[in-house]
Amino acid sequence: GAVVSQHPSWVICKSGTSVKIECRSLDFQATTMFWYRQFPKQSLMLMATSNEGSKATYEQGVEKDKFLINHASLTLSTLTVTSAHPEDSSFYICSATNQETQYFGPGTRLLVL
Amino acid sequence: QKEVEQDPGPLSVPEGAIVSLNCTYSNSAFQYFMWYRQYSRKGPELLMYTYSSGNKEDGRFTAQVDKSSKYISLFIRDSQPSDSATYLCAMSPGAGSYQLTFGKGTKLSVIP
Repeated sequence: GAVVSQHPSWVICKSGTSVKIECRSLDFQATTMFWYRQFPKQSLMLMATSNEGSKATYEQGVEKDKFLINHASLTLSTLTVTSAHPEDSSFYICSATNQETQYFGPGTRLLVL
Repeated sequence: QKEVEQDPGPLSVPEGAIVSLNCTYSNSAFQYFMWYRQYSRKGPELLMYTYSSGNKEDGRFTAQVDKSSKYISLFIRDSQPSDSATYLCAMSPGAGSYQLTFGKGTKLSVIP
């Protein structure tokens, strides 16, 4: 299957700092990438849809000024959590689509102290 | 009623058993169906996808779709301890760039 990577795999930061997470499709071009958040023992919650070269579409309740998404190329999307707070601590997962389905990255665990 | 219903379990079976995982859905627009496996602290791994009613087999896994009943299943034959994970069903109106709607996931434990 297609390979999607994320970096970093985990990050610990102080409250008020910004954190950038990268999502890369390694062996295919992805015009669309998705960003999800997953809390313990819960399913994935879609945060936003990222299309290459255009602004991301955010789900209701997701603050676009807090979660900045950039999809600058067909293989890279970034999510920046700005002014992170402890309640932003979560597991962030991206996915990338080829023509058929979505392939997920391994996830990034964020802990905000 | 949620769009996709999936029993969260947990489900425990002995090694070698046949496992049946199921989801029901209410939105008839869903035409594309997927099963993902997620190990703890990892991203979901695509197991199977299909867009037609009927069965699709891949090794020990069989995906079954019944669009008339809005019911999908994943069967795992000869289950192994390494199959212990959370299984997520997902569906969308079409292939590719459509948003997925997920079930809550079923936590499976295969006991040696």
